[in-house]
This record gives sequence, C-alpha cells and structure tokens, in this order.
Amino acid sequence: QQPVQSPQAVILREGEDAVINCSSSKALYSVHWYRQKHGEAPVFLMILLKGGEQKGHEKISASFNEKKQQSSLYLTASQLSYSGTYFCGTEPRGSTLGRLYFGRGTQLTVWP
Amino acid sequence: DGGITQSPKYLFRKEGQNVTLSCEQNLNHDAMYWYRQDPGQGLRLIYYSQIVNDFQKGDIAEGYSVSREKKESFPLTVTSAQKNPTAFYLCASSAQGGAMNTEAFFGQGTRLTVV
Repeated sequence: QQPVQSPQAVILREGEDAVINCSSSKALYSVHWYRQKHGEAPVFLMILLKGGEQKGHEKISASFNEKKQQSSLYLTASQLSYSGTYFCGTEPRGSTLGRLYFGRGTQLTVWP
Repeated sequence: DGGITQSPKYLFRKEGQNVTLSCEQNLNHDAMYWYRQDPGQGLRLIYYSQIVNDFQKGDIAEGYSVSREKKESFPLTVTSAQKNPTAFYLCASSAQGGAMNTEAFFGQGTRLTVV
C-alpha cells in the first residue's frame, strides 16, 4: 500500500518551480506531506482531504485528485530552505484511521 | 514547550543484545507510532498505538516489541531477533488516531548501529 512518488530527485536553481507527485493504488481519505532535512525529524507541511482541497504553506501548495488517488506538491519560486526530502503519506480508506503509508521520498536540492 | 522527545540520539548495540529506545510526548496525543527509516526506503511502520494499553503491529514488526503503559510514553525494544537493526528510528504522535486529518509530530530520531 506504499504510495509511489515521482521524481526520485530534483535539482533546482533558486527561484525555479518544481512539482512532486504521489500516487496510490488505494482509495484515500487524505494525503499528508512532510519535509525532512538530513538527520532531522520530518516536519509537517499540509494535509489534503477528499474533495480536492488545495492547501498552502509558504509558497508551497498541493492538490488532491480523489478520483485518481493522486496528489501533487507545487513548490513555487524555490528557496534554499526548501532543500530536503519530501514524503507523502497516504491514509487509505478501509485501513485504520490515522495510519499513514509513506512513499520513498523525493530529494529536492536547491542551488543558489 | 510541547513536543516529542526521543532518546538517546545515537545508540550502539552489540549483536545479540536487546536495546530499548525511549519516546515521550507531552502533547496529550492519543496515538503514537514507531517508524524505521533506511536510505531510499521512506518510513516504514513498526508498531502503533491508539490508546493506552493497546497497540498493533505495523508492516515490519518482527524483531521489535513495544509497550504503552502511559499515554505519554511508547518505548520500542529492538530484540536480538531483529536481524538487521541498524537504521534511523523515528517516533511520532498524533492527536486522534481514530480520526482523519490530524498531523503527525515526529521526534528527532535515534540512530541505532550494531557493532
């Protein structure tokens, strides 16, 4: 039930945009996004709920296509601080509520 | 400040030994989780607990054990039965394990190395 993230890695220049995708084979209640700096704890970015809600954090936004079980994270005008590994966590319908399945992560590197 | 605390940050274990990783939270969260992180693998769930005195196996529970005697504490024991225990271990908690849309708060992690 692990979701699939793409791409595995992204390299950007400061100010450029990026999109990270997360796809599940299961119908979902929600999708969570986290960012992790090397050797640190993952930090919560946002939750996307069924209904296609779009939420934002700084210049980071995301969408959730409930019918396709897909979510995308949009990083606009990237900053150096955006570097890290991004994980999506999915909450499938029919599984224990609150239990997340995490993707393998997308490593984002932003250069000056 | 409210948060979730893991200790120790680094832990070395000899083969054949059991070790216990500590996880404490003062967020008054009902649900707590243990994840294992290996390079390129993402976060894999070991055990989780939604209420005191109750816990369930995750995807990779073999060789691990937990207890939940207090709401704020969820220690993880890595037993000698775990054949490849070297990894980064993360503890997390969330407000309502039985409800949707509750973010997870993570501890700083424990890096376990078998020597």
